[in-house]
Amino acid sequence: DIQMTQSPSSLPASVGDRVTITCRASQDIRDDLGWYQQKPGTAPKRLIYTASTLQNGVPSRFSGSGFGTEFTLTISGLQPEDFAVYYCLQHNTFPLTFGQGTKVDIK
Amino acid sequence: QLQLQESGPGLVKPWEILSLTCTVSGAAIRSPGYSWDWIRQPPGEALQWVGSVSYHGRTYYNPALKSRVTVSLETSKNRFSLRLNSVTAADTAVYFCARRPLRGLPFDFWGQGTLVTVSS
Repeated sequence: DIQMTQSPSSLPASVGDRVTITCRASQDIRDDLGWYQQKPGTAPKRLIYTASTLQNGVPSRFSGSGFGTEFTLTISGLQPEDFAVYYCLQHNTFPLTFGQGTKVDIK
Repeated sequence: QLQLQESGPGLVKPWEILSLTCTVSGAAIRSPGYSWDWIRQPPGEALQWVGSVSYHGRTYYNPALKSRVTVSLETSKNRFSLRLNSVTAADTAVYFCARRPLRGLPFDFWGQGTLVTVSS
């Protein structure tokens, strides 16, 4: 299985901060990576696909980058509605695997 | 607008069968180009991919569950199903169904999720 190592697991932050979350794949997954946001009691919402393509309707303060084994999700100017848990997902190879999640909460 | 809705028992006894369905509205599950997947999330834990069935019936399963899991299409009712045998408390989770494009993209539409508790 491809292991997705996501860091940090917890990220205390303030409104207006720039935050960065990293995912490292245990082997090359090209750009077969998505980023999801999950709020309590709801399904994950796709933010980014193919590592850097912004989903329609997602604010431009979200951005993704990376290729191969190293990927980042950046939120430039954190907003109150952005406090949530974020997951990366690799869909290059079965079984599909998620990172362990990063909880962005209020500092 | 595409919608997915999970349904099934919220409580299953240990060693019995967990059975869920995902009813799809707004698209035909036999439409080329998509796979229909199950993902689960134990309380307070991360997401885990369970398995999938493509529009033409090809299946893939998580090896951690492979001997116990079956995902299948029910095209006449435009829904797909999950069957997990011999469940234990470790299978307690919120189960989500989702659509995954086959052209190299991750899940785009999800159901709201349904909590299944394994307990006697």
